[in-house]
Amino acid sequence: EPEVTQTPSHQVTQMGQEVILRCVPISNHLYFYWYRQILGQKVEFLVSFYNNEISEKSEIFDDQFSVERPDGSNFTLKIRSTKLEDSAMYFCASTTRPSPHYGYTFGSGTRLTVV
Amino acid sequence: KQEVTQIPAALSVPEGENLVLNCSFTDSAIYNLQWFRQDPGKGLTSLLLIQSSQREQTSGRLNASLDKSSGRSTLYIAASQPGDSATYLCAATTSGTYKYIFGTGTRLKVLA
Repeated sequence: EPEVTQTPSHQVTQMGQEVILRCVPISNHLYFYWYRQILGQKVEFLVSFYNNEISEKSEIFDDQFSVERPDGSNFTLKIRSTKLEDSAMYFCASTTRPSPHYGYTFGSGTRLTVV
Repeated sequence: KQEVTQIPAALSVPEGENLVLNCSFTDSAIYNLQWFRQDPGKGLTSLLLIQSSQREQTSGRLNASLDKSSGRSTLYIAASQPGDSATYLCAATTSGTYKYIFGTGTRLKVLA
């Protein structure tokens, strides 16, 4: 079964540092997403990405965040200057295309700890 | 704006029981609804996808139903086992926006 792969599984960073979270979506998928889950809270939408541009973003996704598909396989989330409140599990997801017929496939997540 | 809620928040049952988890959504113009399983500290494993035109989906001991008119989906787990212990999340996506809105989850514990 095809998988969405995320690296690293756990990252610890100091407040104010930049971090890049990496994802390899399923190869024939065209739509990519980042979600986050603060410990004990709901899974929240951050951003969707299609055709090399952001198609939708939440109010959480401010100027400190950016996404990029630097090559044909990777999809990255960059946090420019991390804050303590950025500590969360970050999930990447992909789908063939938005359709009632297709659900999302999620990666296993990157746990980001900001100290 | 789509909102998704799940009840109960937590559930503890003896092994072998049949159980029902509930998911409610406010916007009936959903595209589809997906049920996920999340083990502690882990990722989201897709269990079932129900398309907006469908009433139910089945996979093994799991059956999910969808009633758009009442804004509800239920996940039925037959003959529960200790290995079913996990948090179960439902998520709905609405026509016109392609993001999933997640519920808060039901934390299930099946006692041996």
